[in-house]
Amino acid sequence: KAGVTQTPRYLIKTRGQQVTLSCSPISGHRSVSWYQQTPGQGLQFLFEYFSETQRNKGNFPGRFSGRQFSNSRSEMNVSTLELGDSALYLCASSGGSTGEQYFGPGTRLTVT
Amino acid sequence: AQTVTQSQPEMSVQEAETVTLSCTYDTSENNYYLFWYKQPPSRQMILVIRQEAYKQQNATENRFSVNFQKAAKSFSLKISDSQLGDTAMYFCLYRGNTGTASKLTFGTGTRLQVTL
Repeated sequence: KAGVTQTPRYLIKTRGQQVTLSCSPISGHRSVSWYQQTPGQGLQFLFEYFSETQRNKGNFPGRFSGRQFSNSRSEMNVSTLELGDSALYLCASSGGSTGEQYFGPGTRLTVT
Repeated sequence: AQTVTQSQPEMSVQEAETVTLSCTYDTSENNYYLFWYKQPPSRQMILVIRQEAYKQQNATENRFSVNFQKAAKSFSLKISDSQLGDTAMYFCLYRGNTGTASKLTFGTGTRLQVTL
Protein backbone atom coordinates (compact mmCIF):
# COMPACT_ATOMS: atom_id res chain seq x y z
CA LYS A 1 0.00 0.00 0.00
CA ALA A 2 1.14 3.52 -0.65
CA GLY A 3 1.99 5.51 2.46
CA VAL A 4 0.60 8.78 3.71
CA THR A 5 1.30 11.65 1.35
CA GLN A 6 1.36 15.33 2.15
CA THR A 7 1.41 18.26 -0.21
CA PRO A 8 3.12 20.57 -0.56
CA ARG A 9 6.34 19.50 1.12
CA TYR A 10 7.64 23.03 1.54
CA LEU A 11 5.84 26.32 1.71
CA ILE A 12 6.83 29.92 2.33
CA LYS A 13 4.12 32.40 3.24
CA THR A 14 3.92 35.96 4.52
CA ARG A 15 2.36 37.05 7.79
CA GLY A 16 -1.35 37.61 7.43
CA GLN A 17 -1.80 35.18 4.57
CA GLN A 18 -3.63 31.91 4.80
CA VAL A 19 -2.46 28.44 3.83
CA THR A 20 -4.01 25.08 3.06
CA LEU A 21 -2.15 21.83 3.54
CA SER A 22 -3.30 18.50 2.15
CA CYS A 23 -2.99 14.96 3.40
CA SER A 24 -3.90 11.71 1.66
CA PRO A 25 -4.13 8.76 4.06
CA ILE A 26 -3.23 5.16 3.48
CA SER A 27 -5.92 3.47 1.42
CA GLY A 28 -8.65 2.17 3.69
CA HIS A 29 -7.75 4.38 6.64
CA ARG A 30 -10.62 6.54 7.83
CA SER A 31 -8.89 8.53 10.54
CA VAL A 32 -6.54 11.42 9.88
CA SER A 33 -4.73 13.41 12.56
CA TRP A 34 -2.67 16.57 12.29
CA TYR A 35 0.27 17.68 14.40
CA GLN A 36 2.48 20.73 14.64
CA GLN A 37 6.14 20.22 15.40
CA THR A 38 8.36 23.09 16.50
CA PRO A 39 11.69 23.15 18.35
CA GLY A 40 10.15 25.04 21.24
CA GLN A 41 6.81 23.29 21.70
CA GLY A 42 7.62 19.84 20.41
CA LEU A 43 4.88 17.76 18.85
CA GLN A 44 1.42 19.11 19.48
CA PHE A 45 -1.86 17.54 18.46
CA LEU A 46 -4.06 19.76 16.32
CA PHE A 47 -7.12 17.68 15.49
CA GLU A 48 -8.34 14.31 14.36
CA TYR A 49 -10.96 13.51 11.76
CA PHE A 50 -12.84 10.26 11.35
CA SER A 51 -15.34 9.67 8.58
CA GLU A 52 -15.56 13.39 7.77
CA THR A 53 -16.24 14.36 11.40
CA GLN A 54 -13.84 16.06 13.77
CA ARG A 55 -13.41 13.62 16.61
CA ASN A 56 -10.77 15.36 18.71
CA LYS A 57 -9.27 18.80 18.88
CA GLY A 58 -6.11 20.10 20.49
CA ASN A 59 -5.54 23.45 22.13
CA PHE A 60 -5.01 25.66 19.12
CA PRO A 61 -6.74 28.92 18.21
CA GLY A 62 -9.61 29.02 15.77
CA ARG A 63 -7.25 30.14 13.01
CA PHE A 64 -6.40 26.47 12.67
CA SER A 65 -9.14 24.46 11.02
CA GLY A 66 -9.48 21.29 9.07
CA ARG A 67 -11.82 19.09 7.19
CA GLN A 68 -12.03 15.60 5.79
CA PHE A 69 -13.57 14.53 2.54
CA SER A 70 -15.58 11.42 1.72
CA ASN A 71 -12.45 9.75 0.32
CA SER A 72 -10.72 10.35 3.70
CA ARG A 73 -8.35 12.94 2.30
CA SER A 74 -7.93 15.80 4.70
CA GLU A 75 -6.99 19.43 4.50
CA MET A 76 -5.75 21.75 7.17
CA ASN A 77 -6.13 25.50 6.91
CA VAL A 78 -4.36 28.22 8.84
CA SER A 79 -5.67 31.74 8.43
CA THR A 80 -3.97 35.02 9.29
CA LEU A 81 -0.56 33.44 9.54
CA GLU A 82 1.80 34.48 12.32
CA LEU A 83 5.56 34.04 12.54
CA GLY A 84 5.01 31.47 15.28
CA ASP A 85 3.11 29.25 12.87
CA SER A 86 6.39 28.32 11.20
CA ALA A 87 6.68 24.62 11.82
CA LEU A 88 6.69 21.13 10.42
CA TYR A 89 3.09 20.01 10.03
CA LEU A 90 2.66 16.27 10.20
CA CYS A 91 -0.33 14.28 9.14
CA ALA A 92 -0.99 10.72 10.22
CA SER A 93 -3.60 8.18 9.25
CA SER A 94 -4.96 5.34 11.27
CA GLY A 95 -7.07 2.36 10.32
CA GLY A 96 -6.91 -0.19 13.07
CA SER A 97 -8.61 -0.52 16.43
CA THR A 98 -5.35 0.22 18.23
CA GLY A 99 -5.16 3.66 16.68
CA GLU A 100 -1.53 3.44 15.65
CA GLN A 101 -0.57 6.41 13.57
CA TYR A 102 1.20 6.19 10.24
CA PHE A 103 2.85 9.46 9.44
CA GLY A 104 3.44 11.35 6.23
CA PRO A 105 6.70 13.15 5.47
CA GLY A 106 5.34 16.49 6.66
CA THR A 107 4.94 19.97 5.23
CA ARG A 108 7.56 22.50 6.23
CA LEU A 109 5.83 25.89 6.56
CA THR A 110 7.89 29.04 6.88
CA VAL A 111 6.15 32.29 7.67
CA THR A 112 8.12 35.48 6.95
CA ALA B 1 -5.89 15.88 30.74
CA GLN B 2 -3.27 13.37 29.79
CA THR B 3 0.37 14.29 30.14
CA VAL B 4 3.37 12.37 28.90
CA THR B 5 6.84 12.92 30.34
CA GLN B 6 10.15 11.86 28.90
CA SER B 7 12.70 12.85 31.50
CA GLN B 8 15.82 12.20 29.42
CA PRO B 9 16.32 14.92 26.80
CA GLU B 10 19.45 13.27 25.45
CA MET B 11 21.12 9.91 25.74
CA SER B 12 24.15 8.29 24.26
CA VAL B 13 24.99 4.61 23.84
CA GLN B 14 27.77 2.69 22.20
CA GLU B 15 27.09 0.44 19.29
CA ALA B 16 26.00 -3.08 20.35
CA GLU B 17 25.12 -1.91 23.85
CA THR B 18 21.67 -1.72 25.42
CA VAL B 19 19.87 1.49 26.29
CA THR B 20 16.56 2.23 28.01
CA LEU B 21 14.46 5.31 27.36
CA SER B 22 11.89 6.28 29.94
CA CYS B 23 8.33 7.51 29.56
CA THR B 24 5.76 8.19 32.22
CA TYR B 25 2.22 9.37 31.73
CA ASP B 26 -0.72 10.56 33.68
CA THR B 27 -4.26 9.50 32.84
CA SER B 28 -7.56 8.67 34.46
CA GLU B 29 -8.53 6.33 31.65
CA ASN B 30 -8.38 2.58 32.00
CA ASN B 31 -8.19 1.64 28.35
CA TYR B 32 -5.54 3.28 26.23
CA TYR B 33 -2.64 2.65 23.91
CA LEU B 34 0.99 3.60 24.12
CA PHE B 35 3.48 3.87 21.30
CA TRP B 36 7.11 4.63 20.71
CA TYR B 37 8.01 6.48 17.57
CA LYS B 38 11.40 7.17 16.08
CA GLN B 39 12.20 10.33 14.13
CA PRO B 40 15.56 10.20 12.35
CA PRO B 41 17.14 13.29 10.77
CA SER B 42 14.88 12.84 7.74
CA ARG B 43 12.01 13.86 10.10
CA GLN B 44 9.91 10.86 9.00
CA MET B 45 8.08 9.48 12.02
CA ILE B 46 8.39 5.71 12.23
CA LEU B 47 6.40 3.46 14.53
CA VAL B 48 8.74 1.39 16.68
CA ILE B 49 6.42 -0.49 19.00
CA ARG B 50 2.95 -0.35 20.52
CA GLN B 51 1.37 -1.55 23.75
CA GLU B 52 -2.28 -2.00 24.58
CA ALA B 53 -2.97 -1.14 28.22
CA TYR B 54 -5.22 -4.15 28.73
CA LYS B 55 -2.39 -6.51 27.82
CA GLN B 56 -0.11 -7.44 30.68
CA GLN B 57 2.53 -8.91 28.42
CA ASN B 58 5.22 -6.48 27.37
CA ALA B 59 5.46 -5.87 23.63
CA THR B 60 8.57 -6.90 21.72
CA GLU B 61 9.66 -6.12 18.19
CA ASN B 62 13.03 -7.60 17.32
CA ARG B 63 15.65 -5.54 19.21
CA PHE B 64 13.01 -3.28 20.73
CA SER B 65 11.01 -4.15 23.82
CA VAL B 66 9.01 -2.25 26.39
CA ASN B 67 8.61 -2.43 30.13
CA PHE B 68 4.99 -1.48 30.71
CA GLN B 69 4.03 -0.87 34.32
CA LYS B 70 0.38 0.14 34.29
CA ALA B 71 0.05 0.87 37.98
CA ALA B 72 3.13 3.05 37.91
CA LYS B 73 2.07 4.59 34.59
CA SER B 74 5.45 3.87 33.13
CA PHE B 75 6.32 2.77 29.60
CA SER B 76 10.04 2.46 28.95
CA LEU B 77 11.69 1.39 25.71
CA LYS B 78 14.68 -0.91 25.69
CA ILE B 79 16.89 -1.06 22.62
CA SER B 80 19.22 -4.02 22.55
CA ASP B 81 22.30 -4.39 20.36
CA SER B 82 22.15 -0.70 19.44
CA GLN B 83 22.99 0.17 15.85
CA LEU B 84 24.14 3.41 14.28
CA GLY B 85 20.82 3.57 12.45
CA ASP B 86 19.04 3.83 15.77
CA THR B 87 20.32 7.40 16.13
CA ALA B 88 17.17 9.50 16.20
CA MET B 89 14.66 11.34 18.34
CA TYR B 90 12.36 8.95 20.18
CA PHE B 91 8.87 10.00 21.16
CA CYS B 92 6.41 8.32 23.45
CA LEU B 93 2.76 8.70 22.39
CA TYR B 94 -0.35 8.20 24.48
CA ARG B 95 -3.69 7.53 22.91
CA GLY B 96 -6.93 6.96 24.75
CA ASN B 97 -9.53 4.50 23.56
CA THR B 98 -10.16 5.25 19.89
CA GLY B 99 -13.88 5.36 20.54
CA THR B 100 -13.56 8.29 22.90
CA ALA B 101 -12.74 11.93 22.44
CA SER B 102 -9.26 11.39 23.77
CA LYS B 103 -6.46 13.56 22.58
CA LEU B 104 -3.26 12.11 21.30
CA THR B 105 -0.37 13.29 23.46
CA PHE B 106 3.31 13.08 22.69
CA GLY B 107 6.17 13.29 25.13
CA THR B 108 8.89 15.87 24.60
CA GLY B 109 11.25 13.33 23.08
CA THR B 110 14.65 11.82 23.83
CA ARG B 111 17.53 12.39 21.44
CA LEU B 112 19.48 9.15 21.18
CA GLN B 113 23.00 9.11 19.79
CA VAL B 114 24.59 5.77 18.98
CA THR B 115 28.37 5.97 18.83
CA LEU B 116 31.11 3.65 17.61
